[in-house]
Amino acid sequence: GQSLEQPSEVTAVEGAIVQINCTYQTSGFYGLSWYQQHDGGAPTFLSYNALDGLEETGRFSSFLSRSDSYGYLLLQELQMKDSASYFCAVREGHSGAGSYQLTFGKGTKLSVIP
Amino acid sequence: DAEITQSPRHKITETGRQVTLACHQTWNHNNMFWYRQDLGHGLRLIHYSYGVQDTNKGEVSDGYSVSRSNTEDLPLTLESAASSQTSVYFCASSEASSRETQYFGPGTRLLVL
Repeated sequence: GQSLEQPSEVTAVEGAIVQINCTYQTSGFYGLSWYQQHDGGAPTFLSYNALDGLEETGRFSSFLSRSDSYGYLLLQELQMKDSASYFCAVREGHSGAGSYQLTFGKGTKLSVIP
Repeated sequence: DAEITQSPRHKITETGRQVTLACHQTWNHNNMFWYRQDLGHGLRLIHYSYGVQDTNKGEVSDGYSVSRSNTEDLPLTLESAASSQTSVYFCASSEASSRETQYFGPGTRLLVL
């Protein structure tokens, strides 16, 4: 089975940088995803890492270290609209073949304050 | 534009009743998923399908069933609703070749009294 750990809540100031960490345990790792969910809304895809290193998409970046079973989401130039919950999710795979279902962490509620 | 829809958006039912939640996607995706979301638990996988006539159990499948008769639809049935099934239900879909991107529907809020 899989388990993911991420902080339950984070508060940061508008314009600042915040990092949301995710550690995982899985029997067969294929990739780490990040999803954003605003209150009352549906999760939306942000980023995906299958290989070690940093992936950058605008103000958002995601990092993965497979050897440490660790990843993080970095949000720069925080805006009020970034207040939301952020979920890391593991895609499991074995013998080079990945399955398509995801196991989600419990989410980190980010509050951006003025 | 392609989309994924769920109906109803809100539902109140009584314990013991059978309830079916609809999910329809026009992405032509082979993969479809049902999740439930509860405070403190994040998103948990109920059932999933990788194509027509294919269904698989997820982490919390007890008391739920799905069927896949075409590419576009994956209805979720609660055989005999229980108060523990009060939750927000999300349907999602993804391409068979996609590494990770799942597209989520707007969700259905279900209250079982």
